Amino acid sequence: NAGVTQTPKFRILKIGQSMTLQCTQDMNHNYMYWYRQDPGMGLKLIYYSVGAGITDKGEVPNGYNVSRSTTEDFPLRLELAAPSQTSVYFCASRGPIRYNEQFFGPGTRLTVL
Amino acid sequence: AQSVAQPEDQVNVAEGNPLTVKCTYSVSGNPYLFWYVQYPNRGLQFLLKYITGDNLVKGSYGFEAEFNKSQTSFHLKKPSALVSDSALYFCAVRDLADSNYQLIWGAGTKLIIKP
Repeated sequence: NAGVTQTPKFRILKIGQSMTLQCTQDMNHNYMYWYRQDPGMGLKLIYYSVGAGITDKGEVPNGYNVSRSTTEDFPLRLELAAPSQTSVYFCASRGPIRYNEQFFGPGTRLTVL
Repeated sequence: AQSVAQPEDQVNVAEGNPLTVKCTYSVSGNPYLFWYVQYPNRGLQFLLKYITGDNLVKGSYGFEAEFNKSQTSFHLKKPSALVSDSALYFCAVRDLADSNYQLIWGAGTKLIIKP
């Protein structure tokens, strides 16, 4: 049981480039989340999904896109990277009950130069 | 508006002393409250949560938290700090009156335990 895995661990992008951050969970969780964590700040929700085929915007969705074709995978797409997207990105998942805790991946550290 | 405040950016404690990391919240309905810990270059790990019932909640690694409804607080505590407790701690709340059931996160408190 690997939990939540994310790839890559680190990435440097040039302004205007695009990339996909991968997230996979093996706990059969319907709920999945993408957060960004800026230095000295808490987590900001980018997008979330309540099940395969269903996604919705969080607090800071601009510049990002997601898809959820399977229960296990929830990739985050960055189009036209900007320096403001330099951050650490975390994927998380949780079970179906409202008070279930979230399980986090190890994060992807992204730098846009 | 829903919010979570962690009023201290950093807390310094000597090893063996009790520690408290503060958290206050503002929601319109009843809350579910969570504490997570983040070690350097790692993802967040769940510590404990309050759902209902006993106001004192016990969690992982000897941590506990006390829910105080009148003060809208959920402070994290440990009777005797270890150097290995040094990490970043996040408080989060879910407002049951919010149909989205999203977590609202505090900004985090850096806990430093000195030998």
